[in-house]
Amino acid sequence: GQSLEQPSEVTAVEGAIVQINCTYQTSGFYGLSWYQQHDGGAPTFLSYNALDGLEETGRFSSFLSRSDSYGYLLLQELQMKDSASYFCAVRISGTYKYIFGTGTRLKVLA
Amino acid sequence: DTAVSQTPKYLVTQMGNDKSIKCEQNLGHDTMYWYKQDSKKFLKIMFSYNNKELIINETVPNRFSPKSPDKAHLNLHINSLELGDSAVYFCASSHQRHDGTGVIGELFFGEGSRLTVL
Repeated sequence: GQSLEQPSEVTAVEGAIVQINCTYQTSGFYGLSWYQQHDGGAPTFLSYNALDGLEETGRFSSFLSRSDSYGYLLLQELQMKDSASYFCAVRISGTYKYIFGTGTRLKVLA
Repeated sequence: DTAVSQTPKYLVTQMGNDKSIKCEQNLGHDTMYWYKQDSKKFLKIMFSYNNKELIINETVPNRFSPKSPDKAHLNLHINSLELGDSAVYFCASSHQRHDGTGVIGELFFGEGSRLTVL
């Protein structure tokens, strides 16, 4: 089977740093993506890692270790507007199929 | 100018009815998808079309039938609706772009269609 596991919920305060982990088990791998979804909204693309290491985009960074089948999303200088659900996703190699993780609900407290 | 648009946004109907959801993208992408998001927010792929050809068909009941009249449109028809079909259905499209390290696949989602079956 194919699965991507994430913690169900993470809570942090404004200004803090939070890390959301994703471990995956898939039949093929083209890269790990991250999406943000606010309540009632659509998932929106945040970042993508094809190779091992850290990718930085503003306050958000994403890390991948292919040997460990593991990645994380790092959010710095948390703001209230970061309260949302975050999903990791893997594109299965040789296909156009994107499999999503179980999702992590991030609550940012004042 | 909405990139991926779905209609209707909300759908409330009785068990046993048939309903359709329409999706259009103006991004020029070749690949379109239907995802189902249940009450636990799990996003599950249902179907995908590439240039009007069905390329992904997950284990979805055959009451669900997608149709792609052209590569900018992907519709979903559901027959004999059941309570368990209640969910948010997202349409998405994708293109593949290269960033020097490989192919980046980024999904662009519509705003979702919330289906409630009573």
